[in-house]
Amino acid sequence: SQQGEEDPQALSIQEGENATMNCSYKTSINNLQWYRQNSGRGLVHLILIRSNEREKHSGRLRVTLDTSKKSSSLLITASRAADTASYFCATDGGGSQGNLIFGKGTKLSVKP
Amino acid sequence: DTAVSQTPKYLVTQMGNDKSIKCEQNLGHDTMYWYKQDSKKFLKIMFSYNNKELIINETVPNRFSPKSPDKAHLNLHINSLELGDSAVYFCASSRQGWGELFFGEGSRLTVL
Repeated sequence: SQQGEEDPQALSIQEGENATMNCSYKTSINNLQWYRQNSGRGLVHLILIRSNEREKHSGRLRVTLDTSKKSSSLLITASRAADTASYFCATDGGGSQGNLIFGKGTKLSVKP
Repeated sequence: DTAVSQTPKYLVTQMGNDKSIKCEQNLGHDTMYWYKQDSKKFLKIMFSYNNKELIINETVPNRFSPKSPDKAHLNLHINSLELGDSAVYFCASSRQGWGELFFGEGSRLTVL
């Protein structure tokens, strides 16, 4: 069964605005990751947050994790046209090896 | 140098044919994966290999077979191709059985 589900499915904003994407999951996890996929390209890892962490920053990215609600959010501040991409959350389902489970993604469009 | 490279990038073939997609990583990672992304962008893990041992095999038809000649390579063989096999196939690798995944650029398979 699908583990992560992102919302919204699509988000359109103006350059300079902030973009927030949410992810919900169903089982316990060891960590949660966010990935970006540009059109026609492979996925690129953005950030990993462990189950004992509540917030993590990386440049213009801020990720929060609420294990009690089984949810995470990705905030991109001061968005740029180059941020236009699909964003996926992925969880390990609390298991041991591999089996990273991806959600369906949020398609972000940043208009110049 | 490309970290995870897969070939071919595009593959168009007829139903019933057999085809292979090759993947190589030069990151020295222990685990490699194959993911399938359907037309709705949903990513599903197909296989993972750790030190030449298959450690995950999801409910994938046995027409699909991974072959790993060494730790740096994980090829995907598909027999008797069907229309529903049309998708983008991504190879990925990671240092351990979890953590950050490094993806290839994908191989778009079209079955006519």
